[in-house]
Amino acid sequence: GENVEQHPSTLSVQEGDSAVIKCTYSDSASNYFPWYKQELGKGPQLIIDIRSNVGEKKDQRIAVTLNKTAKHFSLHITETQPEDSAVYFCAASIRDIQGAQKLVFGQGTRLTINP
Amino acid sequence: NAGVTQTPKFRVLKTGQSMTLLCAQDMNHEYMYWYRQDPGMGLRLIHYSVGEGTTAKGEVPDGYNVSRLKKQNFLLGLESAAPSQTSVYFCASSYSIAGERDTQYFGPGTRLTVL
Repeated sequence: GENVEQHPSTLSVQEGDSAVIKCTYSDSASNYFPWYKQELGKGPQLIIDIRSNVGEKKDQRIAVTLNKTAKHFSLHITETQPEDSAVYFCAASIRDIQGAQKLVFGQGTRLTINP
Repeated sequence: NAGVTQTPKFRVLKTGQSMTLLCAQDMNHEYMYWYRQDPGMGLRLIHYSVGEGTTAKGEVPDGYNVSRLKKQNFLLGLESAAPSQTSVYFCASSYSIAGERDTQYFGPGTRLTVL
């Protein structure tokens, strides 16, 4: 089955600097790659996603890149702000025959933005 | 519009006891999912449903049962709780419409401790 590895497990950056989180996946059939942000005591919230037919996607300060050949994808956050502090999860997924996305998550990265 | 809600928020069980976790969504979503989150392991899919009356196994289904008697509700049952089931449980839901069904919306979680 699919296996997703996420690095680093913790990341500390100065406010205004950029943060990069990387994930690798094992199943070349995976075709959907979301990133979730989880704040303390809350459920994960989707911040950006990318599909296998796209190499890069950007939404304001957040961007995701996908390299299908190498089977890795990355989250880039620019101009970091204190409210970006949270745990971030990557995931990879294959849609099953009935259309459900069975997500396999990475281990998470705790991002701390230092003022 | 409450989104995805979970009941209860916290629960403590003794080994061997049973309980049911309730997930409810008011977004008219077809797909619903149950995940567990353990420290350092990200989220893992337990069971999921692609519609009322249907259920399917995820990555870690053993020791759990589920039911989807109504479209808006997805129940997760533990028949005989074990300490290994101590975890935070998250429910999620998504649309079934092509192009919309990939985003999973998560509830706030239920923290379960089995003594």
